[in-house]
Amino acid sequence: KNQVEQSPQSLIILEGKNCTLQCNYTVSPFSNLRWYKQDTGRGPVSLTIMTFSENTKSNGRYTATLDADTKQSSLHITASQLSDSASYICVVSGVMEYGNKLVFGAGTILRVKS
Amino acid sequence: ETGVTQTPRHLVMGMTNKKSLKCEQHLGHNAMYWYKQSAKKPLELMFVYNFKEQTENNSVPSRFSPECPNSSHLFLHLHTLQPEDSALYLCASSQDGFEAGAGNTIYFGEGSWLTVV
Repeated sequence: KNQVEQSPQSLIILEGKNCTLQCNYTVSPFSNLRWYKQDTGRGPVSLTIMTFSENTKSNGRYTATLDADTKQSSLHITASQLSDSASYICVVSGVMEYGNKLVFGAGTILRVKS
Repeated sequence: ETGVTQTPRHLVMGMTNKKSLKCEQHLGHNAMYWYKQSAKKPLELMFVYNFKEQTENNSVPSRFSPECPNSSHLFLHLHTLQPEDSALYLCASSQDGFEAGAGNTIYFGEGSWLTVV
């Protein structure tokens, strides 16, 4: 079954600290992987999109890594800020029976406190 | 400010009511989507429209009826809903209707919070 599992479910860190969110997937064949940030009460906003040939991609203080062999991705946040408090959603695109489809993870809820 | 605008932001309706959610995109995209987001669950794709034509209906109950009069507007008509339909409904758009394509970034609206009582 095509699945995307994210860990931890939730995380609390102090402002200024770094953190890493994990995403493991079973989607196969794999096409691309995305990370979205969703602030409370708002829609998701795209952070990165990586294809199978890319193993790292940065967007400011956000760095995503991808290991297509082990089917794992991580999102590293550097020098966290209060505004980083949000849900982070991993989304994997796979080749399904009826074409490429997106499989969404349930998200990791990050809270940054001062 | 997002390029995808949804109204209303919050809606409370009874199980016998008929209401509609509205979405408008200002990005010049050709594809629009409806997603459902329930608490602590992954987003679920409901419908996809590409150039005004419905290209995907993800086994959604008929009490949800989408309408796409043009590439910029999308509606979700609601009738005889159930309490378990309470969720955040997200509209999105992208350049084309190939939802999962690597070059196809999906832009989401702020969502409409629906509560069915």
